[in-house]
Amino acid sequence: RKEVEQDPGPFNVPEGATVAFNCTYSNSASQSFFWYRQDCRKEPKLLMSVYSSGNEDGRFTAQLNRASQYISLLIRDSKLSDSATYLCVVTDGSGNTGKLIFGQGTTLQVKP
Amino acid sequence: ETGVTQSPTHLIKTRGQQVTLRCSSQSGHNTVSWYQQALGQGPQFIFQYYREEENGRGNFPPRFSGLQFPNYSSELNVNALELDDSALYLCASSVSGGTQETQYFGPGTRLLVL
Repeated sequence: RKEVEQDPGPFNVPEGATVAFNCTYSNSASQSFFWYRQDCRKEPKLLMSVYSSGNEDGRFTAQLNRASQYISLLIRDSKLSDSATYLCVVTDGSGNTGKLIFGQGTTLQVKP
Repeated sequence: ETGVTQSPTHLIKTRGQQVTLRCSSQSGHNTVSWYQQALGQGPQFIFQYYREEENGRGNFPPRFSGLQFPNYSSELNVNALELDDSALYLCASSVSGGTQETQYFGPGTRLLVL
């Protein structure tokens, strides 16, 4: 079983749509959770951290359910510029290092 | 831009050769982590360097080795290259490598092994 599992997609949505991505993680000791965005042939960039209380940044909302080991990302009013791969990321809970464990990524294509 | 730089941007090698990749961390950051990203996959943790010492290692063989210098820049060395080593190699810097910290990625080095 993969440590972080995501549906790779692709998700093809029209502009203005609302789209949700989910991921699950296996290590209950993981302490920090993130969504990164990666454009084609570019490096991952932090989109937002994810907290148990849920957090929102403009059109983006992230939720964490520690009991279910489940993380979600909601994008409202999709823009063409949101087209990218979204990586679900957790930290390794077994040591002191800030090792990041990435999911495979979910590809989003927003169409006009 | 994150301020993390990597060189070279692209590299072509043949099986059995050795390669050295370089990373300069963001100003004020003393920790560098290296990741390997194969096509269609998420990045995989190779190792982390903090204060010039290895501070955690992923599931990679010993032919993957690294260094960190007093100015916190870092090198990744791969010996006896194999075809499966073809990937995007990313370095990320952070303040002190803790579990709560954000890591900022450089643009990566794209390695092709023929």
